[in-house]
Amino acid sequence: QLRVQESGPGLVKPSETLSLTCTVSGGSVSTNDYYWAWIRQPPGKGPEWIASIFYTGSTYYNPSLKSRVTISVDTSKNQFSLMLTSVTAADTAVYFCAGRSYFECWFDPWGQGVLVTVSS
Amino acid sequence: QSALTQPASVSGSPGQSITISCTGTSSDIGSYNVVAWYQQHPGKAPKLMIYEVNKRPSGVSSRFSGSKSGNTASLTISGLQAEDEADYYCYSYAGTTTFEVFGGGTKLTVL
Repeated sequence: QLRVQESGPGLVKPSETLSLTCTVSGGSVSTNDYYWAWIRQPPGKGPEWIASIFYTGSTYYNPSLKSRVTISVDTSKNQFSLMLTSVTAADTAVYFCAGRSYFECWFDPWGQGVLVTVSS
Repeated sequence: QSALTQPASVSGSPGQSITISCTGTSSDIGSYNVVAWYQQHPGKAPKLMIYEVNKRPSGVSSRFSGSKSGNTASLTISGLQAEDEADYYCYSYAGTTTFEVFGGGTKLTVL
């Protein structure tokens, strides 16, 4: 069964860079069936898609975050990662990684999520 | 502000049916038949309930159904059960500029 799991710090200082990693298990990140995505959800709000990557390195980004976001994939470790620069309190959210079906436009599986708080 | 608009809350009694609406634009819901619905219980990750407007993943109850008309999609839950109480989010593909958009969520209360 395909699973994804986020890891990374739960507290980041304002103006610094948020870095998270997602480990894929039960399958390979090098598959033609999935893109790999980061999605965040501020407390009490709906999800916001951040970015997606294919194992070949092809990426696409939320236009509102594109200038601050980098998504990358490491096929040797079966992982993909997120970097978000110049964070502010508005970036405080639960960050999820997920598999995004290549053909059918759904997100599944999702990780359990990691709460990242931006505070000094 | 989310790209797709949902009512903040809906409620119903056990056994009843409810419908949650999701309003987008001609650039997302109106252009693509790739609407999905997610159920989220507190502290949990979203769970895929409906994809491609009206398809159910394996294991999802037939009490959940989806539809679309113009720029608005809908999720109907029939025969409400206590475990259906959760937040529900809609999603749509939005083309090669905006890509992926979600709704702000609807809290379903089973009375």
